[in-house]
Amino acid sequence: DTGVSQNPRHKITKRGQNVTFRCDPISEHNRLYWYRQTLGQGPEFLTYFQNEAQLEKSRLLSDRFSAERPKGSFSTLEIQRTEQGDSAMYLCASSLPGQGYEQYFGPGTRLTVT
Amino acid sequence: GQSLEQPSEVTAVEGAIVQINCTYQTSGFYGLSWYQQHDGGAPTFLSYNGLDGLEETGRFSSFLSRSDSYGYLLLQELQMKDSASYFCAVRAFAKGGKLIFGQGTELSVKP
Repeated sequence: DTGVSQNPRHKITKRGQNVTFRCDPISEHNRLYWYRQTLGQGPEFLTYFQNEAQLEKSRLLSDRFSAERPKGSFSTLEIQRTEQGDSAMYLCASSLPGQGYEQYFGPGTRLTVT
Repeated sequence: GQSLEQPSEVTAVEGAIVQINCTYQTSGFYGLSWYQQHDGGAPTFLSYNGLDGLEETGRFSSFLSRSDSYGYLLLQELQMKDSASYFCAVRAFAKGGKLIFGQGTELSVKP
């Protein structure tokens, strides 16, 4: 499968715990994006990378959220001290440079904070 | 602020044509994309308009009018499998990567 993959697919955690998600983009895509989606809403932009550089981060993203893409390949999104409001689907997408309008999304990680 | 407006729900019958409208108000605008998302699935890219006018891709077409801050997605010869949510998304900046998504339109195709 040469699509975008995300792990885990589901994560249930208790409030206050830290969680980390992984995204593996399509190999030739140098841009990688993270979005959050709640039921009945469109994906909401969180952050994006071009190669290993994090170029933009949403103002909605609190200091509890951090993302990395250390070697310009896979990326991780960590949420510290989770809150119930963090429960959502976390989507990763990738694209070719100059084609950010055509993003390829992974299946997402569904986070439930209890 | 940034806002995109789409109808929340649309219902149509198999074989019909349906148009999903999108109006936007964003601080920057470089183009409008459309994505389809089935229940439990990932969004998938359908179409993009970087210039005014109509783009056709098989049964799907998309239109953009920058002067009206308006676009639409046209789905022809509807099939049951077209039942899904459809999102318009603004590419706000040429060099920026992020897409600003609307809240989505849930399309139900009836037999």
